[in-house]
Amino acid sequence: GEDVEQSLFLSVREGDSSVINCTYTDSSSTYLYWYKQEPGAGLQLLTYIFSNMDMKQDQRLTVLLNKKDKHLSLRIADTQTGDSAIYFCAESRVRGAGNMLTFGGGTRLMVKP
Amino acid sequence: ETGVTQTPRHLVMGMTNKKSLKCEQHLGHNAMYWYKQSAKKPLELMFVYSLEERVENNSVPSRFSPECPNSSHLFLHLHTLQPEDSALYLCASSSSGGNNEQFFGPGTRLTVL
Repeated sequence: GEDVEQSLFLSVREGDSSVINCTYTDSSSTYLYWYKQEPGAGLQLLTYIFSNMDMKQDQRLTVLLNKKDKHLSLRIADTQTGDSAIYFCAESRVRGAGNMLTFGGGTRLMVKP
Repeated sequence: ETGVTQTPRHLVMGMTNKKSLKCEQHLGHNAMYWYKQSAKKPLELMFVYSLEERVENNSVPSRFSPECPNSSHLFLHLHTLQPEDSALYLCASSSSGGNNEQFFGPGTRLTVL
């Protein structure tokens, strides 16, 4: 079945690193994504990783994928107050021309000054 | 105008009303999606249209009726809704190539009285 799980809440101090974790169950996932949602807004894609990769780095963001354990993490270096938001991980399978995403419940990141 | 737009941004309706949500994408994509986001559940995929044909319907009640007249527009027609249908309704679009990244609109905040 399809199930994606995340912890509900993470609180860090400004300047520290944040690590948001996610576990998934579908081993046939092709891509895994991290989306950010700020209050009153839709979802914004932060980064993604292809399922045959172990790590991807993009400026302050580092994504680690442990395919054996079906574990995905997002590390934000030098976390800023503007990073406060809800972060969703999602796994995908392509069906026809549509890309089916299964989202986790979201992790609320609070950055304290 | 660029990206994915949704109108209205906020909607309050009674249980006997009929209303429609509109989504428009200016990205040249060929797949469009409706999601429901509520406080109780993570993002739930409702409908998927690929090349203007419905390819996925995740057991959504018939009081929600989607329409996709062309690849740029997607509607969600609402009638005789229940208070538990109050939620944020998000539209997304994607192409069929590459990483199939979904681009989200800002959502419509629906309140059913």
